[in-house]
Amino acid sequence: DAGVTQSPTHLIKTRGQQVTLRCSPKSGHDTVSWYQQALGQGPQFIFQYYEEEERQRGNFPDRFSGHQFPNYSSELNVNALLLGDSALYLCASSLALGNYEQYFGPGTRLTVT
Amino acid sequence: AQSVTQLDSHVSVSEGTPVLLRCNYSSSYSPSLFWYVQHPNKGLQLLLKYTSAATLVKGINGFEAEFKKSETSFHLTKPSAHMSDAAEYFCVVSMRGSSNTGKLIFGQGTTLQVKP
Repeated sequence: DAGVTQSPTHLIKTRGQQVTLRCSPKSGHDTVSWYQQALGQGPQFIFQYYEEEERQRGNFPDRFSGHQFPNYSSELNVNALLLGDSALYLCASSLALGNYEQYFGPGTRLTVT
Repeated sequence: AQSVTQLDSHVSVSEGTPVLLRCNYSSSYSPSLFWYVQHPNKGLQLLLKYTSAATLVKGINGFEAEFKKSETSFHLTKPSAHMSDAAEYFCVVSMRGSSNTGKLIFGQGTTLQVKP
């Protein structure tokens, strides 16, 4: 049973560029959430997707956007990258909206220079 | 508003001695509470969860936590630390109810060091 997978593992970008991170949920899961974990901090909720719609959003600017595909996989896009966007980006999947039992992927380490 | 405070940023114990990681929460509604562990270069793993059933919750690898509503606490304990327990631990709260979509709110984390 495949767990949550994320790609790429690591990424280096320059300020002002755009980046796309990808996530495949655990088999059977239909809800995907994204979290940002800055160095030495706890993860912070970015947004959550269910039925291809953004259902809830954390305190992140519009530069952060996402998408969910019919197969439940998801993308996180960040435009106009800032140095402060450097972080570990975690994807979590769950079965159905409102299910707090979430399974996390290994994350994508984004470095902005 | 919901929030989580982990009272210790770093805890150091000797192998074979008890572990106590402290967590206080704030929630206007009935909370669900969790402990996650994060080993270096690995994803977050759920240790245990409280969802309004028994207040003493047993998790994996010998960990347990007790929900104390009067103290708004959810401390994590283990009777005997093992070297493999060295990791980052996160206390997490989620609000239950129709308006909740499963958003998790994490504490700042506690680094557990286990000395031989």
